Amino acid sequence: DAGVIQSPRHEVTEMGQEVTLRCKPISGHNSLFWYRQTMMRGLELLIYFNNNVPIDDSGMPEDRFSAKMPNASFSTLKIQPSEPRDSAVYFCASSFRTGGSQFAEAFFGQGTRLTVV
Amino acid sequence: GENVEQHPSTLSVQEGDSAVIKCTYSDSASNYFPWYKQELGKRPQLIIDIRSNVGEKKDQRIAVTLNKTAKHFSLHITETQPEDSAVYFCAPRGGYNKLIFGAGTRLAVHP
Repeated sequence: DAGVIQSPRHEVTEMGQEVTLRCKPISGHNSLFWYRQTMMRGLELLIYFNNNVPIDDSGMPEDRFSAKMPNASFSTLKIQPSEPRDSAVYFCASSFRTGGSQFAEAFFGQGTRLTVV
Repeated sequence: GENVEQHPSTLSVQEGDSAVIKCTYSDSASNYFPWYKQELGKRPQLIIDIRSNVGEKKDQRIAVTLNKTAKHFSLHITETQPEDSAVYFCAPRGGYNKLIFGAGTRLAVHP
C-alpha cells in the first residue's frame, strides 16, 4: 500500500478563493481524521469520520470549512472563502478500529501546505 | 483522550543523556496510549504504543510506562542521539475514537 495520499502537497491561493484538499486513506481503514497544524496551535483535530460518516466536527473553525467522505477511499476538506489565517499544514490520517474499541496506529499523509495571500 | 497535557514543552539534552516526556489525560475510558514523533517538515509517525493491560513496553532505546490510576503515561528515551531531535506527541484514545494530540514536546539533542 502506498500509505495515506494527500493532494496537493503545496497550495498557494489568494484570499477569497475556494480551496479543496484531498485525501486517499489506506485501503481497509475505517477511520479518517483531518488535522490543521500551526506553530501556535499545534495539531488540531478538525473532523473525523468512522465508516465514511462524520462523527465529530466540533474542531472545524467556522462555516467556511466543510469536509466530505463520499466513499471509503476518498475525502475532501474545503475552505470557501479562504483567508490568510487559514495558512497552515493540513494533515489527513487514517486508522483501523475494531468494533470492540481496540485502537490501532494512525497513519498520516504527507500533508498539504496551504498559503493564503 | 479529551483533555491531554504534555510536559515539558521543550527539552534540551546532551547526546547520550536520557529524556523523559510525560502525558496526562482526563478520559478514564482511554485504553490505548501511543507516542508519535514528528521530524522537521515531515509527518507524525508512531514510535511506540501501549495498551491499558500493560504497565511498560520497551523497544530498544525507547520505552513507554503507564499509570492508569494517575492517568498519565511517559516516554523514555535512553542514550539519546542527534537524530532523536524532533517533536514528540502523545495521543491517548478512549471510547469515542477521537484522536486528540497533546501540544507536543520539542526535544533537542546536542552533540
